[in-house]
Amino acid sequence: DGGITQSPKYLFRKEGQNVTLSCEQNLNHDAMYWYRQDPGQGLRLIYYSQIVNDFQKGDIAEGYSVSREKKESFPLTVTSAQKNPTAFYLCASSARQGTYEQYFGPGTRLTVT
Amino acid sequence: DAKTTQPPSMDCAEGRAANLPCNHSTISGNEYVYWYRQIHSQGPQYIIHGLKNNETNEMASLIITEDRKSSTLILPHATLRDTAVYYCIVSATGANSKLTFGKGITLSVRP
Repeated sequence: DGGITQSPKYLFRKEGQNVTLSCEQNLNHDAMYWYRQDPGQGLRLIYYSQIVNDFQKGDIAEGYSVSREKKESFPLTVTSAQKNPTAFYLCASSARQGTYEQYFGPGTRLTVT
Repeated sequence: DAKTTQPPSMDCAEGRAANLPCNHSTISGNEYVYWYRQIHSQGPQYIIHGLKNNETNEMASLIITEDRKSSTLILPHATLRDTAVYYCIVSATGANSKLTFGKGITLSVRP
């Protein structure tokens, strides 16, 4: 089945540690995105990538880093510089940047204590 | 990107039509109206999009007013599984365009 996988579903870390969230897609999509969602809020764009080896900051990129070495993978690192890292993180992809339909993964719920 | 305004919540009875409103009075001529929904603790799911004509697919219908300042998503026969947060988004297509998800409207379908 084609789709987007995110792992793990739940992740717990101590404050001060960097943590990397995985996102893989087998849809052959060029564009990939990372969003953050806080309780009762909408999604906010962290980073997006239109093509391999290229990515752009979204609205809340501070404290996060990404890489796009392969078309199917777009890992997100939450660094210790991120002041409030506890959140629900969602990865998405679309055939091309700015096309109509984004496909979302199931999300990773990160808790930092 | 233009902003949208949605009521925070609404409910409807199972089997009845659910009409979800959205205002986007500052929409530009090249911006589309998108609808996504998010079932609790899952990733959002694309529903439908349109520019100015009404659209229908297997999930829903999208009615856009002639002046394009508002739209309505219609779920013709709501089921309990349609209980979710529904996001109305306006955005142009093309490189560097982005989807901005607000708080959406929480639809509760009651038995």
